Amino acid sequence: GAVVSQHPSRVICKSGTSVKIECRSLDFQATTMFWYRQFPKQSLMLMATSNEGSKATYEQGVEKDKFLINHASLTLSTLTVTSAHPEDSSFYICSAREGDRDTDTQYFGPGTRLTVL
Amino acid sequence: AQTVTQSQPEMSVQEAETVTLSCTYDTSESDYYLFWYKQPPSRQMILVIRQEAYKQQNATENRFSVNFQKAAKSFSLKISDSQLGDAAMYFCAAGGTSYGKLTFGQGTILTVHP
Repeated sequence: GAVVSQHPSRVICKSGTSVKIECRSLDFQATTMFWYRQFPKQSLMLMATSNEGSKATYEQGVEKDKFLINHASLTLSTLTVTSAHPEDSSFYICSAREGDRDTDTQYFGPGTRLTVL
Repeated sequence: AQTVTQSQPEMSVQEAETVTLSCTYDTSESDYYLFWYKQPPSRQMILVIRQEAYKQQNATENRFSVNFQKAAKSFSLKISDSQLGDAAMYFCAAGGTSYGKLTFGQGTILTVHP
């Protein structure tokens, strides 16, 4: 089946530093990947849609200069949290769409827990 | 635009019994699809079942089945012969033709009692 990996699974950083999270589709090519944020016991909030070879599309209220997304290949998308602050601490999840159709199923990575001290 | 509502924050079931999780949605799209995802304590999102809106037949995956009522915009998940491993947060989600973006419900925490 479709497998998506994320790295790192956990990261702790100091306030003001930048952190990069990688999302990889291991057994399929993904032209579109998505980045979500999830607070404890809450739902997933879509942050942005990442399209291979083009700029990401950010949801309303998400700071594009703070959350940099790069989708340089059909199997890799990265999310960089720049100048991280404690309020950026959260669980970040990526998903990859298996196929080019909007209706194709999304498969999720295992998530990355970010803690900013 | 799409909205998804799960009105049951928590549900519980005895092992081997059946439980139904509720979900309602609203969408302006004519072509859409619906999902149930499971998130166990590991927090890995796992696809449980998928339903295309144009299909009248309810989707089934082993012990998991849905009751899709298109006119009522209802999409409930039935878990038969519940197992301890079914304990998790369950999310209902709707997707459309806007790049396939998903809208998630608030989630339902399912507890399975031995």
